[in-house]
Amino acid sequence: NAGVTQTPKFQVLKTGQSMTLQCAQDMNHEYMSWYRQDPGMGLRLIHYSVGAGITDQGEVPNGYNVSRSTTEDFPLRLLSAAPSQTSVYFCASSYDGNNSPLHFGNGTRLTVT
Amino acid sequence: RKEVEQDPGPFNVPEGATVAFNCTYSNSASQSFFWYRQDCRKEPKLLMSVYSSGNEDGRFTAQLNRASQYISLLIRDSKLSDSATYLCVVKIAPGKLIFGQGTTLQVKP
Repeated sequence: NAGVTQTPKFQVLKTGQSMTLQCAQDMNHEYMSWYRQDPGMGLRLIHYSVGAGITDQGEVPNGYNVSRSTTEDFPLRLLSAAPSQTSVYFCASSYDGNNSPLHFGNGTRLTVT
Repeated sequence: RKEVEQDPGPFNVPEGATVAFNCTYSNSASQSFFWYRQDCRKEPKLLMSVYSSGNEDGRFTAQLNRASQYISLLIRDSKLSDSATYLCVVKIAPGKLIFGQGTTLQVKP
């Protein structure tokens, strides 16, 4: 099994550009989420989804959109990139988002200049 | 105030030492608790869940104190390979898992 796959691994954007970070899982997990990690800040929850067609906001949702049209995919869209969105982004999935462990992708390192 | 707080450290300890980390949470309705481990520039991985009665996995012991709203992780007989960042995770609502900022452990020979 591939687990959780994130693409791309690295990305450089100019301020104002838009892009989509891709996340796919092949474990038939209902729950998926996006986190960003900045030095000294730990991981902060951006958006999460408890199943196809359902999404909700986390701690830092502004500037990001998500959708969950299938169980497998949970893309994260940056509508107009800002330097403050320079970060490492992790996608995670779990069976139900409750007591089951989170499985993380390898991360996407995004730089906005 | 952050929902989940940890002392970032670093904790520098010699091999064989016992070290303990604490993590406090602000939401008294929090339902589930976990410790994750993150190696440098890698993704976090589950170390252990934390149960109300406390639980042990080899050299690692996790405790939950609901009255004082903190969880702890004790590592006995530290190994060089234990050097990592330890992340406390609290489920504050269904699907909403919040991470602490992490505590860095460096085990020295």
